[in-house]
Amino acid sequence: QQQVKQSPQSLIVQKGGISIINCAYENTAFDYFPWYQQFPGKGPALLIAIRPDVSEKKEGRFTISFNKSAKQFSLHIMDSQPGDSATYFCAARRGNQGGKLIFGQGTELSVKP
Amino acid sequence: NAGVTQTPKFQVLKTGQSMTLQCAQDMNHEYMSWYRQDPGMGLRLIHYSVGAGITDQGEVPNGYNVSRSTTEDFPLRLLSAAPSQTSVYFCASSDRAGQFFGPGTRLTVL
Repeated sequence: QQQVKQSPQSLIVQKGGISIINCAYENTAFDYFPWYQQFPGKGPALLIAIRPDVSEKKEGRFTISFNKSAKQFSLHIMDSQPGDSATYFCAARRGNQGGKLIFGQGTELSVKP
Repeated sequence: NAGVTQTPKFQVLKTGQSMTLQCAQDMNHEYMSWYRQDPGMGLRLIHYSVGAGITDQGEVPNGYNVSRSTTEDFPLRLLSAAPSQTSVYFCASSDRAGQFFGPGTRLTVL
């Protein structure tokens, strides 16, 4: 049972465009939703995270939109750059399970110059 | 701060061999976790720990053992390696600010 479903599996965007990656979750007990960025040969790095008491969080060119009723959240990368080319993972966690993230399957983003 | 460190970076084993993947963190985090990453499957939790002396199973614990004798160290043991354990293994530690990953160990079991 996949508790966090991520789409699309791969995404190609032109430089300067908007990249959008979507995730859906099933467990309503989840209360922390991070996004990770991973470059080849490296470990995942925390990019941005949101809790369900807000509908949007923005950090620079990266924005998380959160829809609690639909149990969905998405990552928007504005003005996408070739350096943003990486694999992105969404994840979810229950508040009392600090070391226990449930990950989506990942999205391989390629930003073309 | 070195953050989360993992050794070795690469390892090749034969079926049936045993080995220990090392993980250490210097951030004094309570929580530590082990994940495996396979193509198209994201990262799956193997075992995790909420503090020294306390461990619990994740999604895919079979074939792996862990222990947490200190806050800093969280080794992962493969008792009898199988080809299905060929993967990239990531250790992570976390606090309220988030979960932080090590650089990974690429393991191949022949």
